[in-house]
Amino acid sequence: QKEVEQDPGPLSVPEGAIVSLNCTYSNSAFQYFMWYRQYSRKGPELLMYTYSSGNKEDGRFTAQVDKSSKYISLFIRDSQPSDSATYLCAMSSNAGGTSYGKLTFGQGTILTVHP
Amino acid sequence: DAGVTQSPTHLIKTRGQQVTLRCSPISGHKSVSWYQQVLGQGPQFIFQYYEKEERGRGNFPDRFSARQFPNYSSELNVNALLLGDSALYLCASGRGQSSYGYTFGSGTRLTVV
Repeated sequence: QKEVEQDPGPLSVPEGAIVSLNCTYSNSAFQYFMWYRQYSRKGPELLMYTYSSGNKEDGRFTAQVDKSSKYISLFIRDSQPSDSATYLCAMSSNAGGTSYGKLTFGQGTILTVHP
Repeated sequence: DAGVTQSPTHLIKTRGQQVTLRCSPISGHKSVSWYQQVLGQGPQFIFQYYEKEERGRGNFPDRFSARQFPNYSSELNVNALLLGDSALYLCASGRGQSSYGYTFGSGTRLTVV
């Protein structure tokens, strides 16, 4: 079983739709939760960062973390064609040792927003 | 300000050869991490270097090695290349050791034939 599971999709939605992206994880030591967006032929770009449980909102993006369920979500409101990309969840424990500085990524979800 | 710079952008190598990939972090960043991203998968952690010392290592064979220079730039070396090493190699830089807030470069696309 992978430490982080993410539905690879692909996910196709019309412009203006609300998009929900999700990841589950098995490592209870994860404390930092991130969402990255990756356009084709580019490196991942940090969208949202959350520490521990709770919600965080930034413009059209909302990140939710439920540590009791080991489940995180990213919601995109009023989706735009420019949101079409691969979305990666990532987690970190900063537990020290050889894991220090390590981000564990999900597989990525391919999102297409069509006009 | 320049972002994270990686070179080369693309390269093709033959099985058994050796390759060196280069990364220049954002000015002021002292941490560099390397990730391997196979097509259709999320990035996999290879190494983290902070203040020129290895601070983290992922589950990769000893064929993979790296170092960080006094100017905080970094090289990733892979020896005895296998077909399975074909991937996008990503470099990420950060101010400290913590893994959040990393900025990634656009990567080096390595193809092993």
